[in-house]
Amino acid sequence: NAGVTQTPKFQVLKTGQSMTLQCAQDMNHNSMYWYRQDPGMGLRLIYYSASEGTTDKGEVPNGYNVSRLNKREFSLRLESAAPSQTSVYFCASRLAGGLWEQFFGPGTRLTVL
Amino acid sequence: AQSVTQLDSHVSVSEGTPVLLRCNYSSSYSPSLFWYVQHPNKGLQLLLKYTSAATLVKGINGFEAEFKKSETSFHLTKPSAHMSDAAEYFCVVSREYGNKLVFGAGTILRVKS
Repeated sequence: NAGVTQTPKFQVLKTGQSMTLQCAQDMNHNSMYWYRQDPGMGLRLIYYSASEGTTDKGEVPNGYNVSRLNKREFSLRLESAAPSQTSVYFCASRLAGGLWEQFFGPGTRLTVL
Repeated sequence: AQSVTQLDSHVSVSEGTPVLLRCNYSSSYSPSLFWYVQHPNKGLQLLLKYTSAATLVKGINGFEAEFKKSETSFHLTKPSAHMSDAAEYFCVVSREYGNKLVFGAGTILRVKS
């Protein structure tokens, strides 16, 4: 099992450019999540998908959109990147129901110039 | 609303000495609490979780944490630090049945030889 995989690992964008971060999991998990990590702030939830076909806003959704493509894949899109979106982005997944822990991908380091 | 406060942003210990990473939580109901570890340039890995079954929780790599409701604390301990324990540690509380994790700001553990 690969677990949670993310592409790309690194990306540099110019202000105003768009891009999509890809995430896939092979653990047959129902729920998937996107976080951003900034120094001294822990991780903050951007969007999540509790199950295939549903998406909900998290703590910091502005400037982002998501798509739950199927049970395995959950993408995060930046339509018009801003320097404030420079961050490390993590995707996570978990089994729905109960209090099962979330499993995290290796992260994407994004720099917006 | 649930929140967590990690009381130390940095902790430095010598190899072979005990580790104590402090976490206080705020929750309007019985919380689910987690400790995650992040090694440099890596994703997050679950160390242990508390879900009301037992107040003393044992995790991986010799770590354990004790849930103290009267003190609203969930401190992480290890009897003897190893160089490989150097990493950033996050205390996390769960909201909305596990769909939203609220992260502390993190504690960076340094282990001196």
